[in-house]
Order: sequence, then structure tokens, then C-alpha cells
Amino acid sequence: AQKVTQAQTEISVVEKEDVTLDCVYETRDTTYYLFWYKQPPSGELVFLIRRNSFDEQNEISGRYSWNFQKSTSSFNFTITASQVVDSAVYFCALSGLNTDKLIFGTGTRLQVFP
Amino acid sequence: GAGVSQSPRYKVTKRGQDVALRCDPISGHVSLYWYRQALGQGPEFLTYFNYEAQQDKSGLPNDRFSAERPEGSISTLTIQRTEQRDSAMYRCASSLNTGGRDYTFGSGTRLTVV
Repeated sequence: AQKVTQAQTEISVVEKEDVTLDCVYETRDTTYYLFWYKQPPSGELVFLIRRNSFDEQNEISGRYSWNFQKSTSSFNFTITASQVVDSAVYFCALSGLNTDKLIFGTGTRLQVFP
Repeated sequence: GAGVSQSPRYKVTKRGQDVALRCDPISGHVSLYWYRQALGQGPEFLTYFNYEAQQDKSGLPNDRFSAERPEGSISTLTIQRTEQRDSAMYRCASSLNTGGRDYTFGSGTRLTVV
């Protein structure tokens, strides 16, 4: 069975703080894909990143960075110098090799206060 | 079209009525997916199509739910004899290639059953 766990339901920070959103996944597939999506208050789902299981290099995109560790089945997301516009619900998701469907976590609500 | 278009944006229906939700994917996108997102939860997979063929309908909750994509483009998700527990955001996504996992999500249809 495949599962994504986002243990942090809600996180509040003050602007300019760094924040890490945790994601732990379970899968029996040896090839799989991991995703992060952002859902701002407007409600749309915004794609942030996709990684496949063979690429364990960490990735940085501006203030965003992702730490993929197969040994702990984790794919954590860090926002550096957070801004009010980062306030949203963030979802981690998993897709196995033999199916195109995405399995989402329950999401982490991030509130960034000025 | 430029993005994934879903209609209607909002639908309020009385318990027991049938509803049809429409998804118009990005032109040329082969794969089309339906998800349901309850308040405070992550999106939950319902079903998906490659071209006009329904590949996986394991996420449909019961036989009141059905989906079709007869010409490999527009898809309709139908819920018969709606119940209050069907109230949720219904999201459609499309992907250029099968297995590509480059999902683009629509804005969703908010269904409220009263």
C-alpha cells in the first residue's frame, strides 16, 4: 500500500523565519515519484516540484529547497526567509511506477505573520 | 485551451438529485484524472483515463459515481442520487503523456448537497 504522512497539521511563523514542512511516505515500489503542491487561499493546486526515486539530489529553487532521503522515506520542504505570500496549505504526494494516480498527504497549513 | 477548465465552478443540489461535472483538459493532453477533496483534507483519487479508456476506477466510492470520456477529450463525472457526504471540491487534472506525471489541475467544482 502507498501512503503519505504529513504529521504537521498547522505551522505558524513570523516573516523571515525559515520553516520546514515534513513528509514521510510508504511504498513498496522501487521506482516512484514524489511531489509537492501549494494550495493558496484562492483554492487552486499549484505544482512546486516532482522528484523520481532515483534522484536523491537535493534541490533548491529560490527560497525553496527540498531534502529527499530514501533511507528515512522522507521528502521535506524548507522555505527560507518566509514571506506572508507563502501562507497556504502544502501537500506532499506520491505516485508509484505502475499507476499514474497521486496519493496525497493531508496537508500542512502554513501561516506566515508579518 | 490554455488550462484545465471545469464547470460549473459551484453547484448546489438537493439530496437525491443527479449531478454531472464537466472537465475540459488542456488540448492534446492524453491523460485525465478526477480527484475529490473534502474540507481540510488532501485530494483523493477517484479515477483516470488515457485517451477514452478508463484505466483505473478504484477510487470511485460506490456505484453512484461514474465517469466517461467518450472522445478522449472532455470528461464528465456523474453522481447519481446525491447524498450530503458527497459535498466536496471535485478536481480534474490532465497530463500530456501517459505516465508523464506532469499534472495540471483545474480550479475545481465545489459541490454542495443540501
